[in-house]
Amino acid sequence: GQNIDQPTEMTATEGAIVQINCTYQTSGFNGLFWYQQHAGEAPTFLSYNVLDGLEEKGRFSSFLSRSKGYSYLLLKELQMKDSASYLCAVSPSNYQLIWGAGTKLIIKP
Amino acid sequence: EAGVAQSPRYKIIEKRQSVAFWCNPISGHATLYWYQQILGQGPKLLIQFQNNGVVDDSQLPKDRFSAERLKGVDSTLKIQPAKLEDSAVYLCASSLGSGHTDTQYFGPGTRLTVL
Repeated sequence: GQNIDQPTEMTATEGAIVQINCTYQTSGFNGLFWYQQHAGEAPTFLSYNVLDGLEEKGRFSSFLSRSKGYSYLLLKELQMKDSASYLCAVSPSNYQLIWGAGTKLIIKP
Repeated sequence: EAGVAQSPRYKIIEKRQSVAFWCNPISGHATLYWYQQILGQGPKLLIQFQNNGVVDDSQLPKDRFSAERLKGVDSTLKIQPAKLEDSAVYLCASSLGSGHTDTQYFGPGTRLTVL
């Protein structure tokens, strides 16, 4: 079957760094997305990785290792507004997208 | 650029009643998606349209759910009759291209409560 695993919940401190992991087992691989979803709001796009390595975008970076079926989202200089759920989604083929259940990130002052 | 529009934002109905949701995607986006998101879970794809044709409706409970996308633009999703387990947020998303490697842009969602 196809499966995506993320931690259910994480807690971090304002100003710190947090890494949210995502592991996947899918029949194929066409890319991996990270979306941010604030409570009661719609998901918004953060990043897309299709090749191995680190993609940096401001305070957020996303890493992919296709051989290990692993990705992480790195958030630096955490701000209170970063409190949200972070969804990992994998495209096994061009006609499919599998979503993880999301990681709820709680930022404490 | 206007985003994905959805209405209503909230709906409360009793079980066995019917309900309809509307979505207007970003102008020019070929692909439209309807998702069901239960609290604490990731989005579950119900149906995907490319223009006005259905690409994937494998997870749509067709005995009670129906969807259409007329003229390849707006879309409606209907539930008839509703069950308690249909309580969820229904998200509409659109993407410029036809593949799942395209970024999806989501609307604000409709929160449905079935009593």
